[in-house]
Amino acid sequence: DADVTQTPRNRITKTGKRIMLECSQTKGHDRMYWYRQDPGLGLRLIYYSFDVKDINKGEISDGYSVSRQAQAKFSLSLESAIPNQTALYFCATSGSSGGRSSYEQYFGPGTRLTVT
Amino acid sequence: KNEVEQSPQNLTAQEGEFITINCSYSVGISALHWLQQHPGGGIVSLFMLSSGKKKHGRLIATINIQEKHSSLHITASHPRDSAVYICAHISNFGNEKLTFGTGTRLTIIP
Repeated sequence: DADVTQTPRNRITKTGKRIMLECSQTKGHDRMYWYRQDPGLGLRLIYYSFDVKDINKGEISDGYSVSRQAQAKFSLSLESAIPNQTALYFCATSGSSGGRSSYEQYFGPGTRLTVT
Repeated sequence: KNEVEQSPQNLTAQEGEFITINCSYSVGISALHWLQQHPGGGIVSLFMLSSGKKKHGRLIATINIQEKHSSLHITASHPRDSAVYICAHISNFGNEKLTFGTGTRLTIIP
């Protein structure tokens, strides 16, 4: 089974609808991230969380919100979807142990979101 | 200007060729991450390195901290190596966030 899972994998929604993307991980990592990928722009950070009580905005957080329901779960919400939020969304995790961080990130399979 | 620049943006080669993908960055870093994105979209971590060289199978990654440059090499390339290769760095400002390049699309022709 995959260590980092995302649901749904594909979603088509209409402008103005609320949508939630979910991410779960079994790696035991404390750090979780949400990115979006657009053609020609590379991956950009939306939100990140270093533990359950720690939520931080990334470079493109406007129009998005997140919830860290548990160490293993990190959800991304679009409160009122708009067409320019059409993109590929990735969740990622990284871990720390013994007081040292591991920078290496592990990615989920991605969610392809289309807003019409 | 992106903090992370990759070259070339696109690369097509014959099976068996030696491949080099370059990554340059403009800030001090703690580590550099090489990732592979498959045609289906999934992203796989290849290497995380902060100095020297790492090797895994036919893949080799090197980094020169003084020159702010890293390379990813693929020996004896194969069509299954066709993917987008992404370089990302973690700055040494302590926030542990990745900054990504836009990727190099590699196509290996049989």
